[in-house]
Amino acid sequence: SAVISQKPSRDICQRGTSLTIQCQVDSQVTMMFWYRQQPGQSLTLIATANQGSEATYESGFVIDKFPISRPNLTFSTLTVSNMSPEDSSIYLCSVGIPSGNTIYFGEGSWLTVV
Amino acid sequence: SQQGEEDPQALSIQEGENATMNCSYKTSINNLQWYRQNSGRGLVHLILIRSNEREKHSGRLRVTLDTSKKSSSLLITASRAADTASYFCATDARNDYKLSFGAGTTVTVRA
Repeated sequence: SAVISQKPSRDICQRGTSLTIQCQVDSQVTMMFWYRQQPGQSLTLIATANQGSEATYESGFVIDKFPISRPNLTFSTLTVSNMSPEDSSIYLCSVGIPSGNTIYFGEGSWLTVV
Repeated sequence: SQQGEEDPQALSIQEGENATMNCSYKTSINNLQWYRQNSGRGLVHLILIRSNEREKHSGRLRVTLDTSKKSSSLLITASRAADTASYFCATDARNDYKLSFGAGTTVTVRA
């Protein structure tokens, strides 16, 4: 299994500002991902955080809005840029563990944009 | 993007009763995973079932998979108040650890 820590757990942000969310894993993992869960909705994959190279974004998500860093195999950050109320969501980090194919999630970062 | 749908959207049961929820998906899969989410917190992994498996058990949980119908079910037996949560199925189609989630079922267990 994997223990995943996310910071911040919650934040209230002003419109137009940016916020960086951190994801720390207790072991080295190759596969790391970022998801968004809008209020009352299911989860949608934002991007794959690639170690040592640019993140791979899913359709509808762009690097300028959601820049991602992955400096090593245990850490990643997601920045939500120039926030608007529509960005109010829970942002979750996940990791894939090859032995067993299980995918684990962090506790999420609940952002409210006002 | 979301792979499929879950049914029902919401379920309210008495403590001790069983809860069954279903998940349908659209494309072939490598595996399907079920998660629980309490009040907008993180997701807790419950069980993984591979495409060549038909049924798995874990404690009070029983998951079935019918690849011919592209559907799965999650049964929680002898429910407890602590089982109150939202339950999501998620599929991994290409064994690349990228998940497509269903809409989720909100389960309320009444004491």
